[in-house]
Amino acid sequence: GAVVSQHPSWVICKSGTSVKIECRSLDFQATTMFWYRQFPKQSLMLMATSNEGSKATYEQGVEKDKFLINHASLTLSTLTVTSAHPEDSSFYICSASTPGTSGINEQFFGPGTRLTVL
Amino acid sequence: AQSVTQLGSHVSVSEGALVLLRCNYSSSVPPYLFWYVQYPNQGLQLLLKYTSAATLVKGINGFEAEFKKSETSFHLTKPSAHMSDAAEYFCAVSNFGNEKLTFGTGTRLTIIP
Repeated sequence: GAVVSQHPSWVICKSGTSVKIECRSLDFQATTMFWYRQFPKQSLMLMATSNEGSKATYEQGVEKDKFLINHASLTLSTLTVTSAHPEDSSFYICSASTPGTSGINEQFFGPGTRLTVL
Repeated sequence: AQSVTQLGSHVSVSEGALVLLRCNYSSSVPPYLFWYVQYPNQGLQLLLKYTSAATLVKGINGFEAEFKKSETSFHLTKPSAHMSDAAEYFCAVSNFGNEKLTFGTGTRLTIIP
């Protein structure tokens, strides 16, 4: 149980185009999903917290107009990188939160999406 | 505010030897602590977590970690390394009322045959 998928797993796009990444919780409902960015050989950096039916909460320094997040249902959140540039190339990972066995919410991570902007 | 420090960005151990990956945390409130493993081009998999119950936590794949409040540490250990343990390991902290995870910079574990 608690499987999270991401689509696509990798994408190459031209500079100036927009790319949408989907994050789905396959066997549970998640009121909260998180979006992370990971540069090569570095840690995960939280970009935003996505709550179903409300606006996402962005971390400091993350451009909300560039990284559009939509959490339309309890099993789907999308991240759209608008007008992508080469510096947006990165590994994007989502997680979905659900109550865990120890009484606290636990995050389950998707497999990630590798974005390359040419 | 909370933060995590992982000492040693790269650790190499021989197959069969003890694995020790270090994690120190800083948190203004009692923390929840996690260890995750990441294989190349994959997401993160939870190894184990500490949520204020037993201070010695056992996880998957033979890993365990001990929460030491006095040392603000949560080091990850495994008695005998396997080749399949080669991966990137991340320590993370959150706390009650704030489920946002703050990650350390990661430790790449290499297993020497």
